[in-house]
Amino acid sequence: DQQVKQNSPSLSVQEGRISILNCDYTNSMFDYFLWYKKYPAEGPTFLISISSIKDKNEDGRFTVFLNKSAKHLSLHIVPSQPGDSAVYFCAATAYSGAGSYQLTFGKGTKLSVIP
Amino acid sequence: SQTIHQWPATLVQPVGSPLSLECTVEGTSNPNLYWYRQAAGRGLQLLFYSVGIGQISSEVPQNLSASRPQDRQFILSSKKLLLSDSGFYLCAWSVPASYAYEQYFGPGTRLTVT
Repeated sequence: DQQVKQNSPSLSVQEGRISILNCDYTNSMFDYFLWYKKYPAEGPTFLISISSIKDKNEDGRFTVFLNKSAKHLSLHIVPSQPGDSAVYFCAATAYSGAGSYQLTFGKGTKLSVIP
Repeated sequence: SQTIHQWPATLVQPVGSPLSLECTVEGTSNPNLYWYRQAAGRGLQLLFYSVGIGQISSEVPQNLSASRPQDRQFILSSKKLLLSDSGFYLCAWSVPASYAYEQYFGPGTRLTVT
């Protein structure tokens, strides 16, 4: 049972345009959502996050939107740059006790920004 | 600043051989530690997590085990590798606090079982 879904395995965008990466979740207990960026043969790096009490969080060119009623979040990158080409993972978390949170990841979307 | 190390970076092992992957974290105390696996074409799957020395929680049944012999050291082991154990293994850490959601990943180990 996949609790976090990224239905688009890949996305191609022209440099300078907006990239929109989508993520859906099924578990209503998730209370915090994160996006990670991953280059080949490297570990994921944390990009941006959003609490379930908010509907938008912005950090420079990156904005994450959360629609709790639809159980949907999206990552917007504006403007897209060739260096943004990577696999983007959506993750959701719920408290698992003893000060520990477990992240549940989607399968990732490979973004290619074309110069 | 905090840094996380994993070794080896790549490993090729025959089926039935043992495995030991090591992860260490610097610059923080009493971190929560995690082992993930990314199999080909799949997302990141949580294997184990630890909130303290000797405290290991397993998320999926498998022939892998984890140990935390020291505060900032996390080890992933197997007595006999299977072909299905091939993948990219990632260690991560997080701050042990009720507000700390982010996890920070190491560079990973690429394991190929032949």
